[in-house]
Amino acid sequence: SAVISQKPSRDICQRGTSLTIQCQVDSQVTMMFWYRQQPGQSLTLIATANQGSEATYESGFVIDKFPISRPNLTFSTLTVSNMSPEDSSIYLCSVSPGGSNTGELFFGEGSRLTVL
Amino acid sequence: QKEVEQNSGPLSVPEGAIASLNCTYSDRGSQSFFWYRQYSGKSPELIMSIYSNGDKEDGRFTAQLNKASQYVSLLIRDSQPSDSATYLCAVNKPGGFKTIFGAGTRLFVKA
Repeated sequence: SAVISQKPSRDICQRGTSLTIQCQVDSQVTMMFWYRQQPGQSLTLIATANQGSEATYESGFVIDKFPISRPNLTFSTLTVSNMSPEDSSIYLCSVSPGGSNTGELFFGEGSRLTVL
Repeated sequence: QKEVEQNSGPLSVPEGAIASLNCTYSDRGSQSFFWYRQYSGKSPELIMSIYSNGDKEDGRFTAQLNKASQYVSLLIRDSQPSDSATYLCAVNKPGGFKTIFGAGTRLFVKA
């Protein structure tokens, strides 16, 4: 298992601003995943972040909008840039302990963003 | 066609009954399948994983997989009000590098 801490847990942001979400894991993991969960919806994968390489983004998500850092094996950040109300969502960090994605994911508590 | 499809529900069952949740997936090459439970306002938590055809039981939960039909199900026996949550079916894409979630089925267990 893994214990994952996310900050902030929630925030209210103004249109046009950017916010960085931090994700800290209590153990070293190779792959970290960032998901978005819009109100009443399921989870959509934004990107996969591996230490020492560029994040891999899913269709519909671009680095300019969602830059990701992965400086070491226990930490990652996701920035939501130039926010609009459509970015209001819960952003979730997740990991699959071990060397690869087994699909058995552990999630942080989530960061609930409201964009006005 | 969505990659992972679930009936959004809500599914309502009386306490003590069996709740049956279903899921289909589109990529025949998928090898790993999961059920996550998400309480309102909380993050998803893994409750079952299944990798081969057949049934897998864990306490009151049974996961069933039929790869030929591309079908996964979750049975919850002796349902309790505390089982009321959204249940997310998830599938690992071939290659294993990403996990895709269905829209989830909301389950209500009535006392």
